[in-house]
Amino acid sequence: GAGVSQSPSNKVTEKGKDVELRCDPISGHTALYWYRQSLGQGLEFLIYFQGNSAPDKSGLPSDRFSAERTGGSVSTLTIQRTQQEDSAVYLCASSWAGPGQKAFFGQGTRLTVV
Amino acid sequence: KNEVEQSPQNLTAQEGEFITINCSYSVGISALHWLQQHPGGGIVSLFMLSSGKKKHGRLIATINIQEKHSSLHITASHPRDSAVYICAANTPSNYQLIWGAGTKLIIKP
Repeated sequence: GAGVSQSPSNKVTEKGKDVELRCDPISGHTALYWYRQSLGQGLEFLIYFQGNSAPDKSGLPSDRFSAERTGGSVSTLTIQRTQQEDSAVYLCASSWAGPGQKAFFGQGTRLTVV
Repeated sequence: KNEVEQSPQNLTAQEGEFITINCSYSVGISALHWLQQHPGGGIVSLFMLSSGKKKHGRLIATINIQEKHSSLHITASHPRDSAVYICAANTPSNYQLIWGAGTKLIIKP
């Protein structure tokens, strides 16, 4: 597609349920990043993929969070046993190569845990 | 026309120069963010503004709500300031972020 696509755009889930967030990067982009923005806060880095591998997982807040990327393209961020503090906008970005290249962002998935 | 526009797209300056990056937006916003993407890849949130001016070290961010314009200034620029600077607007629903295209800044020693 023309840009980074994220789905769903909006997700409401009950506390304790698992959720999957999807990111389709720009075709050909090898680097993919996940971030989140909690209400009123700045961006928080979660994980970085280069191809299918994740050289930097340092931002994942707990072992309830995991992410994978297949075929060097689509990525899925999974949150298990969601908690209310997981409520945030989850953003995906991609770039042509690794760090240092300008990243293009999706519009985000708004996750609300009730 | 993009709803959030940044200028310039690229900026190269000498160490010590005063840097200004501009951001104009055409939508109603609840807040505007300035972000820094390091050459190492991570993104750092520099400022979140809804009015006035904020300062942190050598960085200053201002916003004029009436004119729908924000600026990021760097005083006494240094090569370590080299990065991509991005402005992004929160819409009133606090849901979507509308992103500017970014400004790639290079500071030469």
